[in-house]
Amino acid sequence: DTAVSQTPKYLVTQMGNDKSIKCEQNLGHDTMYWYKQDSKKFLKIMFSYNNKELIINETVPNRFSPKSPDKAHLNLHINSLELGDSAVYFCASSQERREQYFGPGTRLTVT
Amino acid sequence: AQRVTQPEKLLSVFKGAPVELKCNYSYSGSPELFWYVQYSRQRLQLLLRHISRESIKGFTADLNKGETSFHLKKPFAQEEDSAMYYCALFSGGYNKLIFGAGTRLAVHP
Repeated sequence: DTAVSQTPKYLVTQMGNDKSIKCEQNLGHDTMYWYKQDSKKFLKIMFSYNNKELIINETVPNRFSPKSPDKAHLNLHINSLELGDSAVYFCASSQERREQYFGPGTRLTVT
Repeated sequence: AQRVTQPEKLLSVFKGAPVELKCNYSYSGSPELFWYVQYSRQRLQLLLRHISRESIKGFTADLNKGETSFHLKKPFAQEEDSAMYYCALFSGGYNKLIFGAGTRLAVHP
């Protein structure tokens, strides 16, 4: 199946912990993104990588660190988790200016 | 400022009624606009893009540069259309999509 995949689908953890979310795309796209969807369903871009290079870094706490080992992968590491980090995190990919393909989302719950 | 506004958080209609989900944008250049749909607990999917002028699942959207709008329309709503709909603007300068706040469409039997 050609798609954007994310793991894990659900993540429940305690405040202060460090966690990672992984994303992979096998569409051959050159750009990957991380979005955060909050409880009110508002969707906001966090980061974007093009060919492993960071091109967008929105106003996101530096506890969030993306890492792109190759252009098919974009992982998100979060340090010292806080209650306000609870959200659904979506990975997406695109080729140049064309449509973005989204992953299934990772529902993060911080207790 | 580059911005996408979806003024309605919720649009509730009965099956068979016409639907119009509003989207207005603010962009200094030539806009590229999209509609994405998110069914319950699923991933976002592209529904329409203005450059292709297509109709998907009975939905259409016309770019009106004079009114800076890209409203999504369907003449007869179906229950399976119930979902979150996001209007998005591609910002070429920043190579990113700017999403509106989303409108939840609820189609009742």
